[in-house]
Amino acid sequence: AQSVTQLDSQVPVFEEAPVELRCNYSSSVSVYLFWYVQYPNQGLQLLLKYLSGSTLVKGINGFEAEFNKSQTSFHLRKPSVHISDTAEYFCAVRGFGNEKLTFGTGTRLTIIP
Amino acid sequence: GAGVSQSPSNKVTEKGKDVELRCDPISGHTALYWYRQSLGQGLEFLIYFQGNSAPDKSGLPSDRFSAERTGGSVSTLTIQRTQQEDSAVYLCASSFAGAGETQYFGPGTRLLVL
Repeated sequence: AQSVTQLDSQVPVFEEAPVELRCNYSSSVSVYLFWYVQYPNQGLQLLLKYLSGSTLVKGINGFEAEFNKSQTSFHLRKPSVHISDTAEYFCAVRGFGNEKLTFGTGTRLTIIP
Repeated sequence: GAGVSQSPSNKVTEKGKDVELRCDPISGHTALYWYRQSLGQGLEFLIYFQGNSAPDKSGLPSDRFSAERTGGSVSTLTIQRTQQEDSAVYLCASSFAGAGETQYFGPGTRLLVL
């Protein structure tokens, strides 16, 4: 079984400042890792995913994440945020041989003008 | 191309009534998933269909919940004798088969049980 922990339920950040959203996971098997974004009143959209290979993954809208196996983490970062980044961000894990996604509880990112 | 579509977008029902939620996956996607998003529970997996294989129903919270997928395409999630705790957003996702494939989500159906 897998589990995901997003410790920060809300993160306020000033516009053009950097941001890091934290994600830690637990699994007894190897995993694939995902970050999804949910804009207000919209569905979930994939930001990026880690399957294998380079541990630094780049996604849409200038976001990137780094897989750290020893720390079982997959933190999401952006060097400079914009008002349009206001949304809820979900980290998710999928274990090898397991079809379902297990999601964290989400982090609400609020950009302060 | 068209994304995953769900209907209705909103549903208000009375406690004890049955409801049906519909999902149209992306054409060509053989895998289809239902999730539930509710306050206090986050995003929970409900059920997974892959091709003609038996569905993985391990996430269904009770026997009041059932789902079917006809012709390998459209899926219907049925909740019988709805309860107030069933109020949530029900999300459908689809993907190609294969490890690591991206699940594409629909906009969801917001269910309110009065």
